[in-house]
Amino acid sequence: DAGVTQSPTHLIKTRGQQVTLRCSPISGHKSVSWYQQVLGQGPQFIFQYYEKEERGRGNFPDRFSARQFPNYSSELNVNALLLGDSALYLCASSHDRAGNQPQHFGDGTRLSIL
Amino acid sequence: DAKTTQPTSMDCAEGRAANLPCNHSTISGNEYVYWYRQIHSQGPQYIIHGLKNNETNEMASLIITEDRKSSTLILPHATLRDTAVYYCIVTFNNQGGKLIFGQGTELSVKP
Repeated sequence: DAGVTQSPTHLIKTRGQQVTLRCSPISGHKSVSWYQQVLGQGPQFIFQYYEKEERGRGNFPDRFSARQFPNYSSELNVNALLLGDSALYLCASSHDRAGNQPQHFGDGTRLSIL
Repeated sequence: DAKTTQPTSMDCAEGRAANLPCNHSTISGNEYVYWYRQIHSQGPQYIIHGLKNNETNEMASLIITEDRKSSTLILPHATLRDTAVYYCIVTFNNQGGKLIFGQGTELSVKP
């Protein structure tokens, strides 16, 4: 079975631009979470979506938004990009929201802001 | 902030068991202990999780102390491919998918 797939794998943008990152969860998984990982640190939680509704949000500004589609795929949007948004953006899926369901991660989108 | 404490780095000889400790002294009764690892330039990989009992799968064993305040991840026969950053995470049931990653332990497996 295919794992979590993310696109694109790499992206270069300039300050002030907007970006959309995409994630396809493992088949049958209804929950998708997004994380940001800056160099040298562990991933930080941004959002969780379950059954197309936002179920959790981390400490990120309103420039960050996301949505989940009927097929459970998801998009992360970041507006007005700042240099500090340069990071690896990770998507993870799980069967549902329960704490005993492990999340499985994709290999991320590496976003560089010039 | 992460609710776990791990050593920053550890070395292990190839073929030997790697024992990675984690302290989670403030864990509550309905929190699970999860272990993930991240190999450079890849996403975190799920290894194992548990609530109270010891667990074993094809990758590793998880030993949780009786008071649940600490745990140990055991890789029984470490290989060079096990070199990675290992994260120990505690999470509530129904926490909405929020994993709080700390700095993790950088495990170096040496020939």
